[in-house]
Amino acid sequence: DARVTQTPRHKVTEMGQEVTMRCQPILGHNTVFWYRQTMMQGLELLAYFRNRAPLDDSGMPKDRFSAEMPDATLATLKIQPSEPRDSAVYFCASGLVQGQPQHFGDGTRLSIL
Amino acid sequence: DQQVKQNSPSLSVQEGRISILNCDYTNSMFDYFLWYKKYPAEGPTFLISISSIKDKNEDGRFTVFLNKSAKHLSLHIVPSQPGDSAVYFCAASFLSGGSNYKLTFGKGTLLTVNP
Repeated sequence: DARVTQTPRHKVTEMGQEVTMRCQPILGHNTVFWYRQTMMQGLELLAYFRNRAPLDDSGMPKDRFSAEMPDATLATLKIQPSEPRDSAVYFCASGLVQGQPQHFGDGTRLSIL
Repeated sequence: DQQVKQNSPSLSVQEGRISILNCDYTNSMFDYFLWYKKYPAEGPTFLISISSIKDKNEDGRFTVFLNKSAKHLSLHIVPSQPGDSAVYFCAASFLSGGSNYKLTFGKGTLLTVNP
């Protein structure tokens, strides 16, 4: 089965450091989503892209977060500078067309000390 | 403002019995609904979906029911198996919303199926 691949699976770093999370969507999928899961908020959509163009990043703190798709096989989510409140599991998902389910990667568990 | 609500944080059932997971939504514009299952340390996995033109969709042991007037959907698992123990997320979207691909998720229900 084709899968969404996320790296790293775990990341522990100190406050103020830059964090980069990577996602390889399923080949052929043209829509990529970034979600954050916390105990308090559950699964929140941060941003998504279609055909590598950002469609919506309204869920993302703009001052420190940035999301890009350098090419069709790679999406990145960066946090600079990181803060303890950014500690969460970050999921990437990809999809093909509206009305079809999104497929999730296994997430990056981020801990900011 | 939580647009998709799963009011039961947890549910425990006996193996072989029916599991019923509930979900309510507030936005009447939602017209596509999905259920995802999530095991620890893994990403959510798509389980079953339903569009608002239907009131029921069935796939093996899993059936989703949609009551648009009540803005309520439910997932039935019959018979329940220990391997079904996971967190179940309800999600909603706008199928007819142009380029809006967003999924709005509930906070999940932890299902435990006891042998």
